Parts: sequence; structure tokens; C-alpha cells
Amino acid sequence: AQSVAQPEDQVNVAEGNPLTVKCTYSVSGNPYLFWYVQYPNRGLQFLLKYITGDNLVKGSYGFEAEFNKSQTSFHLKKPSALVSDSALYFCAVRGSGGYQKVTFGTGTKLQVIP
Amino acid sequence: GAVVSQHPSRVICKSGTSVKIECRSLDFQATTMFWYRQFPKQSLMLMATSNEGSKATYEQGVEKDKFLINHASLTLSTLTVTSAHPEDSSFYICSAGAGHTAQETQYFGPGTRLLVL
Repeated sequence: AQSVAQPEDQVNVAEGNPLTVKCTYSVSGNPYLFWYVQYPNRGLQFLLKYITGDNLVKGSYGFEAEFNKSQTSFHLKKPSALVSDSALYFCAVRGSGGYQKVTFGTGTKLQVIP
Repeated sequence: GAVVSQHPSRVICKSGTSVKIECRSLDFQATTMFWYRQFPKQSLMLMATSNEGSKATYEQGVEKDKFLINHASLTLSTLTVTSAHPEDSSFYICSAGAGHTAQETQYFGPGTRLLVL
């Protein structure tokens, strides 16, 4: 069965500092990997995805993520955090063969401190 | 990007009543819609997947007679929580996708907060 682990419930970072939100996954075959952001009482907004190609994926709002096959990781990063980046971030994975549902991690709350 | 709406955004109902939640894709034809449930401080749990014109596929442990899903058109899917009870209180989120990339590219609605008294 596929799974996603987000080891940190919360990440605190000072405004202007780089941020990293960690994600590791387990899936059969090649993974499709996603990051979503959720603001309070809102649905999820797509940030970026990795399907194939370059391991470094750039997405919305200056976020990027690096696919590391050997470490089965897909950490979300941003060079300089903004207070407005404070939200709940979800990593998700699905397998690449045929129909497979997307499995979400438990989420990491990012708090950017002014 | 594609826009998905949900209505209502918030609903409070008495125990035993039924509640219908609508999910609409506003600017694209959604061949597939997904319904999720999110508990506080927890991840999204996929409840069911519905394809337009077909019966929904429910995930294990989800009662299909309690959570009725209808996907009658390419722009509308509804989730009806029948005979709601307090334990059904949750945040329900739909998402929509198109074609063979529906799983990869899901557009999420803003969610519906259900409180059953």
C-alpha cells in the first residue's frame, strides 16, 4: 500500500529565512508526487507536482520541491519565507500505473514569524 | 486555473435530517469528481470517486447508503449525508478532474463545514 509521511506537525520559521517542509513516501513503481496548501476553512490549492523529468520542480508562489528517489523524499522548499505562507501543507503521492488513488499525508502547519 | 465551487460553505442541521452538498466545476467539464472528508488536524480521507453518468466507487469503510453521491452532469456532483448524526460533523471537500489526468490534476473546492447537532 502506498503511504506518505510528513514527520513534522508544525514548522516555525522567521520571515525572510529559507523554509523546508519534509515529505517521504512509499509507493509501488514510479511515483507521482504533489504538494498542496490549505488556508483555514478552505479547500486545497495545488502548488506543484512531479511526474517525470527534472528532479527539481518549481511551483506557485516561489515554492519548489526536490524529488530524491534514493531517499524516497519530496521536500518542499522556499528560499525566503513570507508571513502569508503560513498555512497547512499537504504532500501527496500516487503510483504511476493505471488507476490509482492519491494518498495524502497528515499535513504540516507552517508558521512564519514576523 | 480551473475553478470548483461548493455549496453551502457551512451548514448546521439537526440529528436525523439529510444534508445535500453541491460541487460544481465552473469552467471545465469534470469527468471525475472526488469527495473527501477532513477531520480536525488530520489528512484528507477519500470517501468516493464518481465518474459522470456512473455509480460512484466508494472507499472501504464508507457507507454508500449514508453518503449518497450523484454525478449527473459534467459540471455537478452532489453528496447527500442521509440521516446525519453528530459523528458526521466534519469538513467535506470535493475535487474535480478531467479525462485521464483526473487523478493527477485535481482542482479542489473550498469545502463545506457540516455541524450536526
